Amino acid sequence: AQTVTQSQPEMSVQEAETVTLSCTYDTSESDYYLFWYKQPPSRQMILVIRQEAYKQQNATENRFSVNFQKAAKSFSLKISDSQLGDAAMYFCAYLNTNAGKSTFGDGTTLTVKP
Amino acid sequence: GAVVSQHPSWVICKSGTSVKIECRSLDFQATTMFWYRQFPKQSLMLMATSNEGSKATYEQGVEKDKFLINHASLTLSTLTVTSAHPEDSSFYICSAAGYTFGSGTRLTVV
Repeated sequence: AQTVTQSQPEMSVQEAETVTLSCTYDTSESDYYLFWYKQPPSRQMILVIRQEAYKQQNATENRFSVNFQKAAKSFSLKISDSQLGDAAMYFCAYLNTNAGKSTFGDGTTLTVKP
Repeated sequence: GAVVSQHPSWVICKSGTSVKIECRSLDFQATTMFWYRQFPKQSLMLMATSNEGSKATYEQGVEKDKFLINHASLTLSTLTVTSAHPEDSSFYICSAAGYTFGSGTRLTVV
């Protein structure tokens, strides 16, 4: 079974600074996707960024980028120029391509200080 | 992009009654949908996989008679919490197309 581990229950960053959220996973599959989701107080799950396992190039979406280390099974999220609106719970998730279901980490609560 | 609509957003029911939650794929057909449960400040836990035209697949420890899932069409899956009790109070979220989520349903059983 796949597992996803987020070792940082809480993180804090100063506005305009950069923060990195950690995620490791375990799988024996070769084909899968990895995601970072943002969950604000409304609890809507918002897709931040995704990475296909077969792609070596790290995904980027504006201020959000990942460091995908497939051999190490590591998938960290870097948020640059942090904004107050980035404050939320962030979940790392693994998607089994064949089954279509996701496994989530325990989440990291990000606080952005003005 | 793929859109999933979930209703209701929140519901309060009396203990012993049943509640139905709907999950619709608006602009695509979904042969498979997923139902998750989330307690406050915790992660999403997969409850079951909803399969169009066949029985749902439940995760270990999830009572299939308590959480009835019906996926009668390619755009609609429903989760019915039967004989609800206060411990069933939680946030329920559906997903389809791998990474598209509904807005969730906050269920409170009183």
